[in-house]
Amino acid sequence: GAVVSQHPSWVICKSGTSVKIECRSLDFQATTMFWYRQFPKQSLMLMATSNEGSKATYEQGVEKDKFLINHASLTLSTLTVTSAHPEDSSFYICSARQGANIQYFGAGTRLSVL
Amino acid sequence: SQQGEEDPQALSIQEGENATMNCSYKTSINNLQWYRQNSGRGLVHLILIRSNEREKHSGRLRVTLDTSKKSSSLLITASRAADTASYFCASYTGGGNKLTFGTGTQLKVEL
Repeated sequence: GAVVSQHPSWVICKSGTSVKIECRSLDFQATTMFWYRQFPKQSLMLMATSNEGSKATYEQGVEKDKFLINHASLTLSTLTVTSAHPEDSSFYICSARQGANIQYFGAGTRLSVL
Repeated sequence: SQQGEEDPQALSIQEGENATMNCSYKTSINNLQWYRQNSGRGLVHLILIRSNEREKHSGRLRVTLDTSKKSSSLLITASRAADTASYFCASYTGGGNKLTFGTGTQLKVEL
């Protein structure tokens, strides 16, 4: 199947700093990518849909100024957690859709904010 | 919001036994998918079943779909320790653009 690379896999930062997470589709072009958040032992919650060349579409309750998404090319979307606080600590996962149905997921980024 | 509720939430079995997970969903679907997630990792697509299909097989996996009951089941036969993971059902909602996941079943297969 297709490959989606997510980097970094783990990041620790101080409260108040910003953290950028990259999501790349390695062997296909993705006009649409997705960002999910997952708390321990829970399911994935969609945060936003990242659209190449246009603004991201955020889910209800997700602060767009807090979670900045940029999808500047057909193979790269970035999620920046701005002014991170301990409550932002979570597992963030990106995915890219190839074709009509199947999504391919990155390995996830574990964010710990001290 | 979750599209699907899965049960059981957790399942522990012995290697060689079969594991069955159930998913109930809320809205009409074109297809339903099952994904697997190893601890602390991303998700891997396992199988897709279309709304006009009732059963589908892939290796040791068997998926059923009952659209009248808005439910699906995933059966893993002859389980192995390596099958230990979380399993999620998922379907597209929001006009077909958003993949929404069920609550998941944590499967543990013991030697």
